[in-house]
Amino acid sequence: GQQLNQSPQSMFIQEGEDVSMNCTSSSIFNTWLWYKQDPGEGPVLLIALYKAGELTSNGRLTAQFGITRKDSFLNISASIPSDVGIYFCAGPDSNDYKLSFGAGTTVTVRA
Amino acid sequence: DGGITQSPKYLFRKEGQNVTLSCEQNLNHDAMYWYRQDPGQGLRLIYYSQIVNDFQKGDIAEGYSVSREKKESFPLTVTSAQKNPTAFYLCASSFLRGAGVDIQYFGAGTRLSVL
Repeated sequence: GQQLNQSPQSMFIQEGEDVSMNCTSSSIFNTWLWYKQDPGEGPVLLIALYKAGELTSNGRLTAQFGITRKDSFLNISASIPSDVGIYFCAGPDSNDYKLSFGAGTTVTVRA
Repeated sequence: DGGITQSPKYLFRKEGQNVTLSCEQNLNHDAMYWYRQDPGQGLRLIYYSQIVNDFQKGDIAEGYSVSREKKESFPLTVTSAQKNPTAFYLCASSFLRGAGVDIQYFGAGTRLSVL
């Protein structure tokens, strides 16, 4: 599959802080997806991006489709304890019905 | 409620034993997928199926087998040939619209451990 590099690998954040993570690909994408996985559960879709430069929000989450079409960013504003989990980026594999996933960013919130 | 149901939530395998993980969806999705998740790694594709009675190997199919006899069901068997089966297994499904990326939706996962 496609190679997706996600960073940082993990982060410890203070409650109330804003945080950012990003994902880069080795090829141009036409779609970026961001999922969140709570401990012991399956990933849940947070945001889908379909156009270069697109900026989309979902509550305190904001994601951007990079203008180079090879990267995407996810921001969480005013972190709260329930933001704990693993955040994955995903994009199309060589076939659109398959996805490639980044290794994930593990977020831990200090109360 | 519509969704993807995986069972059991926890499963233990003895040496030399085959075990089967269940995945059922009532979303009328066309495609179904199985992923393996190990700590610190992304999701790795084991098998996927676009239509009934057809499936393809993913990146790490060795030691696994699947069937797709019904649109709603895509069970995964972890065979004794899989020497390192301890992992979290995720099933997903999606529509196949034929244009652009089809979003995959996930079940709650099955954690498999070796006794």
